[in-house]
Amino acid sequence: GAVVSQHPSRVICKSGTSVKIECRSLDFQATTMFWYRQFPKQSLMLMATSNEGSKATYEQGVEKDKFLINHASLTLSTLTVTSAHPEDSSFYICSARGLLSSYEQYFGPGTRLTVT
Amino acid sequence: GQNIDQPTEMTATEGAIVQINCTYQTSGFNGLFWYQQHAGEAPTFLSYNVLDGLEEKGRFSSFLSRSKGYSYLLLKELQMKDSASYLCAGVDSNYQLIWGAGTKLIIKP
Repeated sequence: GAVVSQHPSRVICKSGTSVKIECRSLDFQATTMFWYRQFPKQSLMLMATSNEGSKATYEQGVEKDKFLINHASLTLSTLTVTSAHPEDSSFYICSARGLLSSYEQYFGPGTRLTVT
Repeated sequence: GQNIDQPTEMTATEGAIVQINCTYQTSGFNGLFWYQQHAGEAPTFLSYNVLDGLEEKGRFSSFLSRSKGYSYLLLKELQMKDSASYLCAGVDSNYQLIWGAGTKLIIKP
């Protein structure tokens, strides 16, 4: 149980375009979802926390107008990188926490974004 | 402030034992997680400690001392596939995970 999927797993886009990444909890209801970014050889960096039906809480330094997060249902959250630039190229990972779980976060497999 | 400290990199030999230490300072404390992350992949859960003591799970064990703000992950009978980064994360009073930078473990034959 507690499976989280992400789509797409890899995406290449041109500078200036927008990219949407989906995060789904497949067998549980995720009240809270987290979006992380990870640059090569660096640790996870939390970008934002989203609770179903409410606005996401962004970490300091993360532009909310650039990284749009929607958590419209208990099983789906989306991250849209708007007007992407090469410096946005990174590994984006979502995680989810359910109603009955401890504070454990279940991670999706990640999305490798390359902006050319 | 909140902080998680763990070594940046460690090297060990196949078949040996290695201990990865983690010290934490969090506002409130609701437990500590260890995750394993292979290069290019998402983290996977290894252990969760909220009470003092050692918890053993196969080749992996995790220890917690709340009075010392200290935890360690013990890996026995090391295999080449154990080469990965090991992330320590404390749970604060708001039930948020505070992540360490990770320890890259290199296993040599």
